[in-house]
Amino acid sequence: DQQVKQNSPSLSVQEGRISILNCDYTNSMFDYFLWYKKYPAEGPTFLISISSIKDKNEDGRFTVFLNKSAKHLSLHIVPSQPGDSAVYFCAARTQTGANNLFFGTGTRLTVIP
Amino acid sequence: NAGVTQTPKFQVLKTGQSMTLQCAQDMNHNSMYWYRQDPGMGLRLIYYSASEGTTDKGEVPNGYNVSRLNKREFSLRLESAAPSQTSVYFCASRDGLRDTQYFGPGTRLTVL
Repeated sequence: DQQVKQNSPSLSVQEGRISILNCDYTNSMFDYFLWYKKYPAEGPTFLISISSIKDKNEDGRFTVFLNKSAKHLSLHIVPSQPGDSAVYFCAARTQTGANNLFFGTGTRLTVIP
Repeated sequence: NAGVTQTPKFQVLKTGQSMTLQCAQDMNHNSMYWYRQDPGMGLRLIYYSASEGTTDKGEVPNGYNVSRLNKREFSLRLESAAPSQTSVYFCASRDGLRDTQYFGPGTRLTVL
């Protein structure tokens, strides 16, 4: 059973506009959330994270919002650039066990010049 | 500082053959992980090693074995490959201070 869900397989956005990628989770024990970006033929690269004690974290053009009551997080990219075109994975972690990550299925973002 | 490296990048096996996927990290991280990624699915954990000398099963361990050779190296072995093991395999190591995992470039494995 998928504990982390990304219901939009793809998203297209014009350059300069905002990209919003969404993620839902089911496990209330998750306490830390991350976004990874993946280019073809490369491994995922860490983008931004947020602890469950916060509701927002910002890093340059990237902002992650967490709504714990709705078990929902989103990644905002403003402004979007063609180089942002990639697959974005949402991931979540519990503090128990291996600290391993549970990944969503990914959203392919295409930024149109 | 190469980060996480994996070899080989590509491999084709016949059903029943065995092989070992190699992973090394130069970031002095304690924890290392092996994931697989299949089409339409997120990355799933196969095995992990919380520290040198320890290994544990993840979500999908069947058909695999691992060895944490030292702090740097964590290998994944397929003893008798099956077509269901066709996948892209990623190794990762965890930065305990930043609480973030760093991934290698992946090994694309096809089992015929």
